[in-house]
Amino acid sequence: GAGVSQSPSNKVTEKGKDVELRCDPISGHTALYWYRQSLGQGLEFLIYFQGNSAPDKSGLPSDRFSAERTGGSVSTLTIQRTQQEDSAVYLCASSLYGGGGEKLFFGSGTQLSVL
Amino acid sequence: RKEVEQDPGPFNVPEGATVAFNCTYSNSASQSFFWYRQDCRKEPKLLMSVYSSGNEDGRFTAQLNRASQYISLLIRDSKLSDSATYLCVPRPNYGQNFVFGPGTRLSVLP
Repeated sequence: GAGVSQSPSNKVTEKGKDVELRCDPISGHTALYWYRQSLGQGLEFLIYFQGNSAPDKSGLPSDRFSAERTGGSVSTLTIQRTQQEDSAVYLCASSLYGGGGEKLFFGSGTQLSVL
Repeated sequence: RKEVEQDPGPFNVPEGATVAFNCTYSNSASQSFFWYRQDCRKEPKLLMSVYSSGNEDGRFTAQLNRASQYISLLIRDSKLSDSATYLCVPRPNYGQNFVFGPGTRLSVLP
């Protein structure tokens, strides 16, 4: 597809379960970002991948959160032992090179609900 | 001080009105900025880039005041479709992430 694709669009899970959220960036984009947005709140940075460099994980809220990006393309955000406060929309974005004044393209997000 | 601060609003204005809101930033080295708009329950989309002192795009004008470290967004002849949250974000250096402001919510009323 032409845009950033995220799956699933909605995920309902029980407290304590693990979840995996997937992001397919635009083909050829080397930079990939994960944000989360709680209801009525701003975008909270989680993690940033830039090419083959070590990812910037400074925004991950706890060690229950991890992300990987395989082959410089698809990324998976994993949340272990989910808690109710993890409920939010998880947004993925990509850009061609990363920073430097480039436009970010966002996916439509995954709405995560932890019961 | 937070890196980016915005008045959360909401700004409720009638159709046709002119509305402006500001974004203040703490990093005096920031050279340029972006305004994104986010519709309710949708992803953010780029509205404008702001370089040097500012620029204009149709009904939208963005200005950068380096001395006071704020950027503004002016919307003229507002439309119902302008109702959204407007997010301010400084241009990051290469290899750094984008830090978004909390956003200003605008509601244009009929």
